[in-house]
Amino acid sequence: AQRVTQPEKLLSVFKGAPVELKCNYSYSGSPELFWYVQYSRQRLQLLLRHISRESIKGFTADLNKGETSFHLKKPFAQEEDSAMYYCALTEGAGNQFYFGTGTSLTVIP
Amino acid sequence: GAGVSQSPSNKVTEKGKDVELRCDPISGHTALYWYRQSLGQGLEFLIYFQGNSAPDKSGLPSDRFSAERTGGSVSTLTIQRTQQEDSAVYLCASSLRGQAGEQYFGPGTRLTVT
Repeated sequence: AQRVTQPEKLLSVFKGAPVELKCNYSYSGSPELFWYVQYSRQRLQLLLRHISRESIKGFTADLNKGETSFHLKKPFAQEEDSAMYYCALTEGAGNQFYFGTGTSLTVIP
Repeated sequence: GAGVSQSPSNKVTEKGKDVELRCDPISGHTALYWYRQSLGQGLEFLIYFQGNSAPDKSGLPSDRFSAERTGGSVSTLTIQRTQQEDSAVYLCASSLRGQAGEQYFGPGTRLTVT
């Protein structure tokens, strides 16, 4: 069963516009949620995790247990945000890690 | 320090041949993961090693796929009798024990089966 769903394969926004990358998950326990990013010709890397409640590069993500969502948001998109974004979930205790299918974000200058 | 390294970076092989992909994790990282990245399919979990425990092989797509990890460090993913649908980028990642969320990825091996 698909544990992490990213409904948008492609997303384009204009520079300066707000951006939201959607992520929904399916898990009955208390998962840990993450966002990973892969910039062009670079390695996949961790962007942020829900337990840190941090803002990285202007991005934030709030875990909504009622809606089982973990959407990634940024109020003003920049060209350098263009990348592939993956939402991911782990059931904790160093177990299996589930990635979504990814959303390719393009920020139009 | 050095990050996760993988070799080869590119591999072209003929259908039916066996291939071996190598991963060198970050020193001290006890957890090692293999993923397959296919166009439109996202990242598919393949196998997970944690220290000396038995690996979690639940993500391997068929018995043609196997992996081992020697001495708790270097790992080799072997694909036997390759098929065209095996063509993908194979990614390796490592993390500290209990830090599954912070995985460090290698550059990947792009496998093309002709």
